[in-house]
Amino acid sequence: EIVMTQSPGTLSVSPGERATLSCRASQSVSSNLAWYQQKPGQAPRLLIYGASTMATGIPARFSGSGSGTEFTLTISSLQSEDFAVYYCQQYNNWPLAFGGGTKVEIK
Amino acid sequence: QVQMVQSGAEVKKPGASVKVSCKASGYTLTNYYMHWVRQAPGQGLEWMGIINGSGGTTTYAQKFQDRVTMTRDTSTSTVYMELSSLRSEDTAVYYCARTYHSFGYYFGYWGQGTLVTVSS
Repeated sequence: EIVMTQSPGTLSVSPGERATLSCRASQSVSSNLAWYQQKPGQAPRLLIYGASTMATGIPARFSGSGSGTEFTLTISSLQSEDFAVYYCQQYNNWPLAFGGGTKVEIK
Repeated sequence: QVQMVQSGAEVKKPGASVKVSCKASGYTLTNYYMHWVRQAPGQGLEWMGIINGSGGTTTYAQKFQDRVTMTRDTSTSTVYMELSSLRSEDTAVYYCARTYHSFGYYFGYWGQGTLVTVSS
C-alpha cells in the first residue's frame, strides 16, 4: 500500500506571494499523481493530473511537477480565492491514496 | 453538464447500515467509473472503492472490504454505496466522484457529499 505524505501541514503565505507544496510517495507512482483544492464545506476540485497537466478551467498560476516519488504543486502568485486545503492523490496502484493535505492560509 | 446529486444526510445508530445514492446526469453512466471517497470531520480524504458503470464490477479498499457494497442502476443512472455495521468512526461526509476521463483514476466531478452521522 502506497503512503502519500504532504508537507508542510500548514503554509502561511501573503497574497501575491509564491506557494510551494510538496507531496512524497512511499514508492514510485510514475506520473500518476493528481492535485485537488478543497474549500470549507465544498467538494474537492481537480487541479492537476498526470503530475503536471492542468484540468480544464484551472488558472495558469497553478503548476505541477515531479515524477516517481517526489511531486510539487506551485501557486505562482496567491490570490484570495486560493486559500484552501490541497491534497495530492496517487492513482498508480490500488488502493488509491490521498495525502493528508496542506492548508494554505493567509499570513 | 456533468452533475452528480447525492441523497440527503443520515443519522444512524451503531451497528446499523446506511445506503447513499448518487444520481448522475449529463453523461452516460456506463462509460465511466464511479468512486466513493469519504472525509471524517476535520480530516483528510479516504478512498473507499470503485464501481464500473458498465459491467458493475467493483474494487474495494481492504479497510472496507467486509462492510461496503457498491451497486449501480443503469436505468436511472444512479450509483449506490451501502456501508454496514456502522460505528462512530464512520461519521463522515461521503462523496461519489467520477473519473475525469474514461481512463485514469483521478476525480474530475464530485457529488455534493452526504453527511452520515453515527451516534447512539
